[in-house]
Amino acid sequence: LAKTTQPISMDSYEGQEVNITCSHNNIATNDYITWYQQFPSQGPRFIIQGYKTKVTNEVASLFIPADRKSSTLSLPRVSLSDTAVYYCLVGPDTGTASKLTFGTGTRLQVTL
Amino acid sequence: GAGVSQSPRYKVAKRGQDVALRCDPISGHVSLFWYQQALGQGPEFLTYFQNEAQLDKSGLPSDRFFAERPEGSVSTLKIQRTQQEDSAVYLCASSSSAGRGTEAFFGQGTRLTVV
Repeated sequence: LAKTTQPISMDSYEGQEVNITCSHNNIATNDYITWYQQFPSQGPRFIIQGYKTKVTNEVASLFIPADRKSSTLSLPRVSLSDTAVYYCLVGPDTGTASKLTFGTGTRLQVTL
Repeated sequence: GAGVSQSPRYKVAKRGQDVALRCDPISGHVSLFWYQQALGQGPEFLTYFQNEAQLDKSGLPSDRFFAERPEGSVSTLKIQRTQQEDSAVYLCASSSSAGRGTEAFFGQGTRLTVV
């Protein structure tokens, strides 16, 4: 599975857009990029998955450049409830839980 | 139920004691996974079932760890002779298939503390 690198932590004010970038230089051709969100005392929750270009859903957007060596999770107008750890995962079929490699994630703290 | 249910939510065990952690996946979900999450770390894969078949147990840290899913629904993770290093949150996840892009749903986890 491709190794990922993401910031350990980020801080934001409520109402701002937050962009979390993940590096995955050795991503394979058949790898997908998936982001999970985890609140304290909860299990991770699937947010979004993409292969290339841009993917958007009701929660977030995922931007993937042409070389796919990085990706950016964009959270529009965050609120206090978006305070969580965000994990970037790369691998085949990463929409499932099959041998997901989570890493330590990015701890996002949103304040007023 | 509507989601993945795990019990107990919290378990304190004395070192050397055996424990059993239960996972009720979403009804009809074929795939079931166990993960271990140490404090401040991301979840780490332990084992995977497709129906009742345990297809991958490469993440189980030692032979003290054993998982089963005899009827292809409820699963139990058993830890024998618990050690302090077993203290962690144990997460169960299920998905409707093993196919690409199928979303996985996690339970709230069981926090195990070995004293």
